[in-house]
Amino acid sequence: DAKTTQPPSMDCAEGRAANLPCNHSTISGNEYVYWYRQIHSQGPQYIIHGLKNNETNEMASLIITEDRKSSTLILPHATLRDTAVYYCIVRVVPRTSGTYKYIFGTGTRLKVLA
Amino acid sequence: GAVVSQHPSRVICKSGTSVKIECRSLDFQATTMFWYRQFPKQSLMLMATSNEGSKATYEQGVEKDKFLINHASLTLSTLTVTSAHPEDSSFYICSASGVRQANEQYFGPGTRLTVT
Repeated sequence: DAKTTQPPSMDCAEGRAANLPCNHSTISGNEYVYWYRQIHSQGPQYIIHGLKNNETNEMASLIITEDRKSSTLILPHATLRDTAVYYCIVRVVPRTSGTYKYIFGTGTRLKVLA
Repeated sequence: GAVVSQHPSRVICKSGTSVKIECRSLDFQATTMFWYRQFPKQSLMLMATSNEGSKATYEQGVEKDKFLINHASLTLSTLTVTSAHPEDSSFYICSASGVRQANEQYFGPGTRLTVT
């Protein structure tokens, strides 16, 4: 089962900041939060990840609450090309093997409006 | 860097035949590869995880005899859908991670399988 919940859809005006929330209330102390996005019929694209601290890169910022039960992905100046499905993922390390895996939730369909 | 390719991008096959999908890491050594499937308007579902030189680990409910995974080299993994049926029609996506890319998975562009 997915460890994340996200709103199914959001709209954002072009040029404005898009704030995408994610709940991961059952996250464990050593599990990272990852964000990917998927444009129609393509493979997911990595955006950003974090553990405890807020993170920023050239694409986005990731704000993680102090209790780590939720996070927000911020696209500072959304463009039409940012229209995609955004997935918040908790990276899980199963107990029976050392290989981590991603469990995708349902994602948020972001539509950037002109 | 960290580019993953898949071949073919689209394939149509007849019911009862087998189809092989290739996943390649082009500029890094993929110690671990993952296979997902995605039905229309749904999220990605992990099918299996494979480490180079080892047998794949399948997720619950995924038939290992139907979805054969081979990860014989550090740059290539294959998924073979055996005796395909129309319900196997889906978007199949692979991802890869390596020693230097251990923090994230890099996804291929996906393969659209249609079984008629």
